[in-house]
Amino acid sequence: AQTVTQSQPEMSVQEAETVTLSCTYDTSESNYYLFWYKQPPSRQMILVIRQEAYKQQNATENRFSVNFQKAAKSFSLKISDSQLGDTAMYFCAFHAGSARQLTFGSGTQLTVLP
Amino acid sequence: DGGITQSPKYLFRKEGQNVTLSCEQNLNHDAMYWYRQDPGQGLRLIYYSQIVNDFQKGDIAEGYSVSREKKESFPLTVTSAQKNPTAFYLCASSMPRDSYGYTFGSGTRLTVV
Repeated sequence: AQTVTQSQPEMSVQEAETVTLSCTYDTSESNYYLFWYKQPPSRQMILVIRQEAYKQQNATENRFSVNFQKAAKSFSLKISDSQLGDTAMYFCAFHAGSARQLTFGSGTQLTVLP
Repeated sequence: DGGITQSPKYLFRKEGQNVTLSCEQNLNHDAMYWYRQDPGQGLRLIYYSQIVNDFQKGDIAEGYSVSREKKESFPLTVTSAQKNPTAFYLCASSMPRDSYGYTFGSGTRLTVV
């Protein structure tokens, strides 16, 4: 079974600063995908970024980037130039090629301070 | 616009009652999912369905039931057997084994009164 661990229940960052959210996972699969989802106070789940395990290059979406360390089974999210609108719960999620559903971590509540 | 619609946004249930949460999608996705969200516990899978007229139990299916009579619809019934139903419920859809993740609805907040 796959597990996803987010060890930081809460984090805060000053506006315009950079913050990194941690995620580790455990799997015996070789083909899988990793995701970061954002859940703002509206509670709508929004896909932030995805990473394919077979790609060595780290994914980037504007101010969001990941540090994917496959051997260490680590998948951290870096948010640059943090904005007030980045305040949200962030979930790391894992999808194995053979699985039928996403497995989520417990989430990290990020607060961007003005 | 394509998307997933969950209704109602807020739902109140009395002790011993069954209630049904609605989830409709117009994305032509084959797979649909129900998750429960509690504070500090992330999202836990209740049921999922890969095709019409077929569904599978997730990690916390006890006290819940579903149906999948149409591709677009995947209603969730919270039965009286569910002893602690107060939670936020999220519906999602995808193409099976889709590597692009899920599309989520906006959720239903269920409270026992």
